[in-house]
Amino acid sequence: DAGVTQSPTHLIKTRGQQVTLRCSPKSGHDTVSWYQQALGQGPQFIFQYYEEEERQRGNFPDRFSGHQFPNYSSELNVNALLLGDSALYLCASSQRLASYEQYFGPGTRLTVT
Amino acid sequence: AQSVTQLDSHVSVSEGTPVLLRCNYSSSYSPSLFWYVQHPNKGLQLLLKYTSAATLVKGINGFEAEFKKSETSFHLTKPSAHMSDAAEYFCVVRLDSNYQLIWGAGTKLIIKP
Repeated sequence: DAGVTQSPTHLIKTRGQQVTLRCSPKSGHDTVSWYQQALGQGPQFIFQYYEEEERQRGNFPDRFSGHQFPNYSSELNVNALLLGDSALYLCASSQRLASYEQYFGPGTRLTVT
Repeated sequence: AQSVTQLDSHVSVSEGTPVLLRCNYSSSYSPSLFWYVQHPNKGLQLLLKYTSAATLVKGINGFEAEFKKSETSFHLTKPSAHMSDAAEYFCVVRLDSNYQLIWGAGTKLIIKP
């Protein structure tokens, strides 16, 4: 049973560019959450998707947007990249919106130069 | 507002000795609390969770944590450290209002041979 998968593993972008990160949830899971983890810090909640809608959002600007597809996979888009967007981006899936347990993918390391 | 504070950024112990990772939380009511572990280049993994049941919670790999409401603490312990325990550990509180996870800054556990 495949767990949560994310692609790509690493990404290097230039300031001002746009990036799309992808996530496939664990089999049987319908809820996807995205987190940003800066170096030396804990993850920060970006947003959560359930039934193809954004259900919750953390304190992130509108440059961060997302999408969930009918097969429950999800994308995170970041526009107008800033140097401060360099981080590990984590995707987590759960079986339902209020589930206590989230399963995390290995993350995508984004470097903005 | 709910928050979580991990009192040590780094903890170093010798293999075979006890481990104590400290976490304090602030919450206006009984919280849901978690410990996650992050090994290098691997995804976050749930160690254990407290959800208003038994105050002493047993997790995977021999870890356990005790919820102490009077001290607003949820410290993680293990009787005997193993080299494979070297990782970053995160204490997390879940907001009951919207199920968002609030993460501590993390404690890096170093195991000396």
